[in-house]
Amino acid sequence: DTGVSQDPRHKITKRGQNVTFRCDPISEHNRLYWYRQTLGQGPEFLTYFQNEAQLEKSRLLSDRFSAERPKGSFSTLEIQRTEQGDSAMYLCASSLVPTDFNEQFFGPGTRLTVL
Amino acid sequence: TQLLEQSPQFLSIQEGENLTVYCNSSSVFSSLQWYRQEPGEGPVLLVTVVTGGEVKKLKRLTFQFGDARKDSSLHITAAQPGDTGLYLCAGVFTSGTYKYIFGTGTRLKVLA
Repeated sequence: DTGVSQDPRHKITKRGQNVTFRCDPISEHNRLYWYRQTLGQGPEFLTYFQNEAQLEKSRLLSDRFSAERPKGSFSTLEIQRTEQGDSAMYLCASSLVPTDFNEQFFGPGTRLTVL
Repeated sequence: TQLLEQSPQFLSIQEGENLTVYCNSSSVFSSLQWYRQEPGEGPVLLVTVVTGGEVKKLKRLTFQFGDARKDSSLHITAAQPGDTGLYLCAGVFTSGTYKYIFGTGTRLKVLA
């Protein structure tokens, strides 16, 4: 399977702990995106990378959040000192731009529950 | 602020009925994508539309892109329980950043 993969699929943590999620995009894709999705809502943009460069961060991404894509391949999203409000599905997506369609493909997501 | 509004937010219909979901914005898209998402999974890409006025069909699903590339619709004919899910539209704006803005989502339930 050469789709986008995310690890772990589920994470339960206690408030105040740090967590790290990993995303492996489709291999030839130059763009990698992180989103957060709460129940019944559409994904909200967090940040994106063009190769290894982080080009934009949403205001939703507080100082407790950091993302990296060190070699332009996989990416990690770390949340420090987790809060109950961080509980959500964290989605990663990748795309190859520019193309005629600029299609974005998603991974299965990491469901975070902060107790 | 670039916003994509979807309507309706919720839809519960009987098997065999037809339905239409709308995705609207005041901004122009360079392309627009429709996804379906099952609970606990990531969104799965259904279709991409690029040209104003374009119509694409995927079995019982018909997707249309508005002439001005500001809006889109998804029409499902003879809905089946397997169509149940969250339908999302996502627009790529013409700013060149290739950033995707998602609609608010339409939760569809098809009853057998």
